[in-house]
Amino acid sequence: AQSVSQHNHHVILSEAASLELGCNYSYGGTVNLFWYVQYPGQHLQLLLKYFSGDPLVKGIKGFEAEFIKSKFSFNLRKPSVQWSDTAEYFCAVKTTGGGNKLTFGTGTQLKVEL
Amino acid sequence: GAVVSQHPSRVICKSGTSVKIECRSLDFQATTMFWYRQFPKQSLMLMATSNEGSKATYEQGVEKDKFLINHASLTLSTLTVTSAHPEDSSFYICSARDPRGENQPQHFGDGTRLSIL
Repeated sequence: AQSVSQHNHHVILSEAASLELGCNYSYGGTVNLFWYVQYPGQHLQLLLKYFSGDPLVKGIKGFEAEFIKSKFSFNLRKPSVQWSDTAEYFCAVKTTGGGNKLTFGTGTQLKVEL
Repeated sequence: GAVVSQHPSRVICKSGTSVKIECRSLDFQATTMFWYRQFPKQSLMLMATSNEGSKATYEQGVEKDKFLINHASLTLSTLTVTSAHPEDSSFYICSARDPRGENQPQHFGDGTRLSIL
């Protein structure tokens, strides 16, 4: 079965710092990849997704992620974070043949300080 | 705005009570909905896939008789935690995928925090 690893559990940054959150998955076949964000007290929202094509994906709010197939990775980046980016970030994978089931990573809690 | 509505947002009840959680897709008809469970500081774990008009598909280790799922219409799935005990206390989240168009992501409800005393 596939699994998803997010190595950073808690990240604290100052405003304007650059962000990179790691996501690695284990599955040998074709995958669809997602990053979701959960702001305090809100539901999970899609930040960006990769299905095929350009491995550098741009999402909402200035986030981007790069799919590196050889590394089984889909790291999330933002060049300059804002206080409002404080949230929990989840990487998720959907495999072909797995229906529409998502496997989530354990999440990364990001705190951006003023 | 939200496209998946989940109700209630919070439930506190005594041990032995059965609790029903509703999940509604607001803008689309969902033949499939998903139920997740999230423990503190852990990831979302898929419990089951709810299929409209047929039986739910449960993940390994999830008790079917404990977590009853009914998907009676194209916009509503319910999860009933039967005879709930303190170990069932958790955060339950539903999601649904808009079937219109390719490569649509899942939309998530706000979640239900269940606390069993």
